[in-house]
Order: sequence, then structure tokens, then C-alpha cells
Amino acid sequence: QVQLVESGGGVVQPGGSLRLSCAASGFTFSKNGMHWVRQAPGKGLEWVAFIRFDGKNKYYADSVKGRFTISRDNSKNTLYLQMNSLRAEDTAVYYCARDTSSWVLDYWGQGTLVTVSS
Amino acid sequence: DIQMTQSPSSLSASVGDRVTITCRASEGINTYLNWYHQRPGKAPNLLIYAASSLQSGVPSRFSGSGSGTDFTLTISSLQPEDSATYYCQQSYSTPLTFGGGTKVEIK
Repeated sequence: QVQLVESGGGVVQPGGSLRLSCAASGFTFSKNGMHWVRQAPGKGLEWVAFIRFDGKNKYYADSVKGRFTISRDNSKNTLYLQMNSLRAEDTAVYYCARDTSSWVLDYWGQGTLVTVSS
Repeated sequence: DIQMTQSPSSLSASVGDRVTITCRASEGINTYLNWYHQRPGKAPNLLIYAASSLQSGVPSRFSGSGSGTDFTLTISSLQPEDSATYYCQQSYSTPLTFGGGTKVEIK
């Protein structure tokens, strides 16, 4: 069965950096685009970034553009999110999710919490 | 960016009731509209894609309709396990955007 497991969350000071990982299993990772979506405490869902199956196209929300970088290693079945210049408003649970090829998110991980605080 | 507006923001209904949630897009998105639900402390789960297609494994009491700017999610007979927050999401263009959510509670 499809499994997505995020890791790398934690507490970081404003201006700091963090790299999230998402380990995928149960499907052919190299055939699917992947997303990061976040959810601030008590708030709704916010799409963060997308990467095409081969890594050649990437899209970002304006709120993270220039600070966050999405990448993938198909040999390791792993998705990444490098987060730099973190702000308090980046505090959220970060989910990775699989794309069906139509920007529909059909499987989600359990999420990893990122807290930006001094 | 395409704005997605859901209504109501919350509702309370009894087991067996028919429940309807509405989602409106700020511009036409054809049928590029998806529905998810999220139980407390859990990840979102895909229910409906392309406005009206039921995701595999999702109970048939869930259905979706609409096109253009106005969409509806219907639960034909509310069950206790349907207590969750429901989100619509447009897949017409980036940035992908979600509605603000509708919290469904069981009376």
C-alpha cells in the first residue's frame, strides 16, 4: 500500500533553516509528481510546492518562493523540502502528498510539525 | 490566484441527515475541483475528484456536483465517522488553492 512518511520537523529560530524529508513506498515513486502542503495550528490547508515526476518542473506558493526549495531523489524514493529564512508564520504541520498527474492529491503522509520560534 | 470560498464554515447535523456543503471559485475552473475531509489530528483524505468522481474506497453516500464556479459536496446519510472538516481544492491552475473548510459535527 502507498505510504508517505515525513521527517525532519522541529523547533527552529526565525531566520534559520530546516530540511524536511518524505520517504515514499508502495508505488513507483519516479512516476508521480509530489506536493508539500502545510497547515498552521488551527487553520486550513495551504499548498506550498509541487515537483514533477522527473524533477524538471517545480512550482511554489508566493509565500515561500525564493526561501523554500522542493527536490527529489528518485533513486532513494524520497522527496525533500529545504526551508531557509524561516519566519514565525511558517509554523505549521507539513504534509507531503502524491499527485495523480492532474494536481489531485490522492495520498498524504501523517505530517511533520515545524515550529519557528525564538 | 483563484480564491475558493466554502459555506457554511460549520454545521451540526444528526446521524442519517442529508448534508450539503458548497464551494465557489472566484473564476471558472471547469470541473477541476476536488474534495477532501480531515479528521482531527489526521491527514486529509481525498473523497471526490474532478467535481463528481468518487475516489476508490470512499463510501457511496458521498457525491459531488457542479462545474464552472459553483460546486457541491453531498453526504446522503450522515454517519458518526463523517465528523470532520471538509475542504475543496481547485486543480485548474497553480497556485493550487483550498477553501477555508467546513467543520461537520454530529448532534
